[in-house]
Amino acid sequence: GNSVTQMEGPVTLSEEAFLTINCTYTATGYPSLFWYVQYPGEGLQLLLKATKADDKGSNKGFEATYRKETTSFHLEKGSVQVSDSAVYFCALSEGGTSYGKLTFGQGTILTVHP
Amino acid sequence: GAVVSQHPSRVICKSGTSVKIECRSLDFQATTMFWYRQFPKQSLMLMATSNEGSKATYEQGVEKDKFLINHASLTLSTLTVTSAHPEDSSFYICSARDQGASSYNSPLHFGNGTRLTVT
Repeated sequence: GNSVTQMEGPVTLSEEAFLTINCTYTATGYPSLFWYVQYPGEGLQLLLKATKADDKGSNKGFEATYRKETTSFHLEKGSVQVSDSAVYFCALSEGGTSYGKLTFGQGTILTVHP
Repeated sequence: GAVVSQHPSRVICKSGTSVKIECRSLDFQATTMFWYRQFPKQSLMLMATSNEGSKATYEQGVEKDKFLINHASLTLSTLTVTSAHPEDSSFYICSARDQGASSYNSPLHFGNGTRLTVT
């Protein structure tokens, strides 16, 4: 079956530091990959996505590249802000008969200090 | 943007009682909604797919008689935890996709979740 593994948190950084949150996956087909973010007290929001190998998703300064050879989709940001403090979830979807079904990683808590 | 409203946000109930959680799409129609459960420090696990006007599809290992799902309209799905026990205490999250979305890669919209505590 499908699975997603994220680096364990929590991750604590100072403002303007570089962020990497690792994500690797296993899937039987050709999944689409997503990063979702959950800010305190809010629901999950799509941060970025990539639908095929070598695609790069980007949004709000965050980037992730779909690496089929290493089955990875690591999230990066060059300079984090306090407002980036949230829980980040890596997820995959295979579509087809699994339309709408997401397999999530366990989430990584990010705290950014001023 | 598309909003999914989930209610209540927190509920405490006694063991043996039932609890109903509502998930509404506020500005779009959703023929399909998804119910997830999240244990502390663990990932969200898909429990079931809620289909408007038909029976829900449950994931392996999820008791359908325990977790009753009703999707009576294009904007409302409910999850009822029947005869709740302390081990049912968890964070439940619903999500929905705009039925007008043309691609399975279109984003899901999530509710804010419901924290259920069974005493």
